[in-house]
Amino acid sequence: DTAVSQTPKYLVTQMGNDKSIKCEQNLGHDTMYWYKQDSKKFLKIMFSYNNKELIINETVPNRFSPKSPDKAHLNLHINSLELGDSAVYFCASSQEGTRRAYFGAGTRLSVL
Amino acid sequence: KQEVTQIPAALSVPEGENLVLNCSFTDSAIYNLQWFRQDPGKGLTSLLLIQSSQREQTSGRLNASLDKSSGRSTLYIAASQPGDSATYLCAVNKAAGNKLTFGGGTRVLVKP
Repeated sequence: DTAVSQTPKYLVTQMGNDKSIKCEQNLGHDTMYWYKQDSKKFLKIMFSYNNKELIINETVPNRFSPKSPDKAHLNLHINSLELGDSAVYFCASSQEGTRRAYFGAGTRLSVL
Repeated sequence: KQEVTQIPAALSVPEGENLVLNCSFTDSAIYNLQWFRQDPGKGLTSLLLIQSSQREQTSGRLNASLDKSSGRSTLYIAASQPGDSATYLCAVNKAAGNKLTFGGGTRVLVKP
């Protein structure tokens, strides 16, 4: 049973397209996140949600819109994709109290 | 603004040698610190989590120490094995606001 699962694993698309990445966690956590890992392997937070409510938005372009239909799901929709959006996007969730974070396997996005 | 630095960026050791990975952070007002392992093309696996009130955590051959006042953590891996080859990431969770700030990672190669 995968704790944090995200789909798709790979996404190859043309500039200007719109795409979505889905994430689900079965750990019962209240907080979920999206992180971006760039070509230099540096990981940086994009968004966090707590119980479906947006908590953190780290100066991400508004072409990126997260949506949390319930506390087990956090999806990421990206409009008008640009070359610079190519990266690996990781979904994560964390426990209340300890704040131990659990990560999904990542979605490798390539914009051509 | 919290900054996290990991030194060295890469490390190569013969099998059996002990590994010492360093992490430093600029703001000591942390909630916890996590060490993760990332294999090429894979997600992050949580190795150890140290709460701000703790000095160290141990799991098998892994031991992580935390000196909050000096802004440092060290991950020790005893008797390294080729299977320990991976990138090790240190991440700090702020006391206020629930998000992880990552270091750039240390890429480890253990030679048989």
